[in-house]
Amino acid sequence: QSVLTQPPSVSAAPGQKVTISCSGSSSNIGNNYVSWYQHLPGTAPKLLIYEDNKRPSGIPDRISGSKSGTSANLGITGLQTGDEADYYCGTWDSSLSAWVFGGGTKLTVL
Amino acid sequence: EVQLVESGGGLVQPGGSLRLSCAASGFTFSSYAMSWVRQAPGKGLEWFSLISGRSGTTYYADSVRGRFTISRDNSKNTLYLQMNSLRAEDTAIYYCAKQRQWLRDFDYWGQGTLVTVSS
Repeated sequence: QSVLTQPPSVSAAPGQKVTISCSGSSSNIGNNYVSWYQHLPGTAPKLLIYEDNKRPSGIPDRISGSKSGTSANLGITGLQTGDEADYYCGTWDSSLSAWVFGGGTKLTVL
Repeated sequence: EVQLVESGGGLVQPGGSLRLSCAASGFTFSSYAMSWVRQAPGKGLEWFSLISGRSGTTYYADSVRGRFTISRDNSKNTLYLQMNSLRAEDTAIYYCAKQRQWLRDFDYWGQGTLVTVSS
């Protein structure tokens, strides 16, 4: 059972928009920055969003992050088949003194 | 270009030991905290250990505390993970990851090395 809760899967058609949620508590999301990662099994995970809503260089602006209270969201617009992957939220948990990831969300582009 | 290359994975019997390495290049290694993250078959990403840039501070997840030890040699730009008392549930792909800022996100990851614990 992950400290951060994500939906196991989401799906949408090419060109559409999808939002992936990440729910936590005051000891993690509520008081620490959230980051998001894209992962294709067997490859290196890739940082998509850091500090709640900032994109590293090279990440397109159709990818966005937001946070409110103890929840965060990852948004992807203009979906492409290449976006099919597992997506993880993560943050530091001050009570656990540990980094925590969500359970991951599998994105399917229909 | 930042590169992180893990090595040392393999097949080990339950109760055995293994030492992983992560060779870093393309950045000032000693200035950044590093972590180990793993993914067991069919499971999600699991963070389990972190070390500060100067090795003064370490953190562990409960799942590995007392069995695994993270360390680094800044003169060799290398991160290590000593794994003892290995269990079947430690079977996973092990990734090293660079932290962009202290206790924040991971901006670069290695390709991973597979550890299989089985008799």
